[in-house]
Amino acid sequence: DAGVIQSPRHEVTEMGQEVTLRCKPISGHDYLFWYRQTMMRGLELLIYFNNNVPIDDSGMPEDRFSAKMPNASFSTLKIQPSEPRDSAVYFCASSQRRWGSSSGNTIYFGEGSWLTVV
Amino acid sequence: GDSVTQMEGPVTLSEEAFLTINCTYTATGYPSLFWYVQYPGEGLQLLLKATKADDKGSNKGFEATYRKETTSFHLEKGSVQVSDSAVYFCALERGKLIFGQGTELSVKP
Repeated sequence: DAGVIQSPRHEVTEMGQEVTLRCKPISGHDYLFWYRQTMMRGLELLIYFNNNVPIDDSGMPEDRFSAKMPNASFSTLKIQPSEPRDSAVYFCASSQRRWGSSSGNTIYFGEGSWLTVV
Repeated sequence: GDSVTQMEGPVTLSEEAFLTINCTYTATGYPSLFWYVQYPGEGLQLLLKATKADDKGSNKGFEATYRKETTSFHLEKGSVQVSDSAVYFCALERGKLIFGQGTELSVKP
């Protein structure tokens, strides 16, 4: 299996520009997660989807952030307009079966998109 | 709310030393517990997991036992290698995966 695929791996953009991060989950996985990692705040869950439907977006920092999952094999995280404080590593992850049932479902992470906003 | 607390790093050890990274959690009930590892420049990889009390997860020489009495899931390895240098994250499953702050491990030859 190819694993979770994210693009771009690295992006440097100017403040105010729109940033779009992309994710392809593992085939057959029905849960998709977006995490953000920074030195100050560690790993934060931004949003997650089940069967393409957003379930919990309470971690999305503000209206500048939006996420979509138009089909089972693709998701985007968009930041518009971007700000320097958005600089972070953004991880997409996916898993299979019911999440939250304490069944020990493993989630698989992509290699991350390293975003720098200058 | 639910949370995970890990020992602060960085932890620096010599090759073949014994490793312990402490992890305690606060949660209702008995969530599944995980250790993930992040090598430099890479994403997180599952290292091991335990789904119920007294379970022991193990992988690549690492072990952790789910202790409900002490609400702990400490990571151990008997003899570390330079290649084990990474950041280790403890996590619990509660409708979503809740991570500790991570512990950086550096192993010197």
